[in-house]
Amino acid sequence: AAGVIQSPRHLIKEKRETATLKCYPIPRHDTVYWYQQGPGQDPQFLISFYEKMQSDKGSIPDRFSAQQFSDYHSELNMSSLELGDSALYFCASSLASGVGDTQYFGPGTRLTVL
Amino acid sequence: DAKTTQPPSMDCAEGRAANLPCNHSTISGNEYVYWYRQIHSQGPQYIIHGLKNNETNEMASLIITEDRKSSTLILPHATLRDTAVYYCIVRGISNFGNEKLTFGTGTRLTIIP
Repeated sequence: AAGVIQSPRHLIKEKRETATLKCYPIPRHDTVYWYQQGPGQDPQFLISFYEKMQSDKGSIPDRFSAQQFSDYHSELNMSSLELGDSALYFCASSLASGVGDTQYFGPGTRLTVL
Repeated sequence: DAKTTQPPSMDCAEGRAANLPCNHSTISGNEYVYWYRQIHSQGPQYIIHGLKNNETNEMASLIITEDRKSSTLILPHATLRDTAVYYCIVRGISNFGNEKLTFGTGTRLTIIP
């Protein structure tokens, strides 16, 4: 079965640079979530989109922005990168339903800021 | 969302059943119990979820107490590949059914040969 695709898998940037992470959800899924996992930490929710509209927001820095496109893929844009942004970034997708959805996670993008 | 409490670590012998407990004493009536696991920096993997009835799938069984204040995830025949961090997550359901997951610290399960 098709899974969530994330690209790139690894990314190395310098401080103050910009990074764009991409997420391709499972076909027919309409909801995308972004999570950040710092070294030795547990995943933390950043932001989510349902039908191309932002549906929820967590502790996402103002330097970060995201959107979901008409084909349901999503991009997380990160500007003015800081050393503390080094982390694994996971995207998850789901098909929303009135009784709850199951989120399926991608393999993640490992961002290293030097 | 309700908070959960899990033991930080557990060991289990290969081939035996692994029973992972989770306390969620402040759970609300419309909140589900979800279990995910994460194998060394891979994306979290969905295992199972339930509301109040016991659930079973090809991966595991979920036993929820009658008062819903605690639950147990059971891996019936643990293998070395089950070594992972297991997260018990209590999650409310919005009108759209798409709520974020709030990860706690989880239980690091080690399967011993």
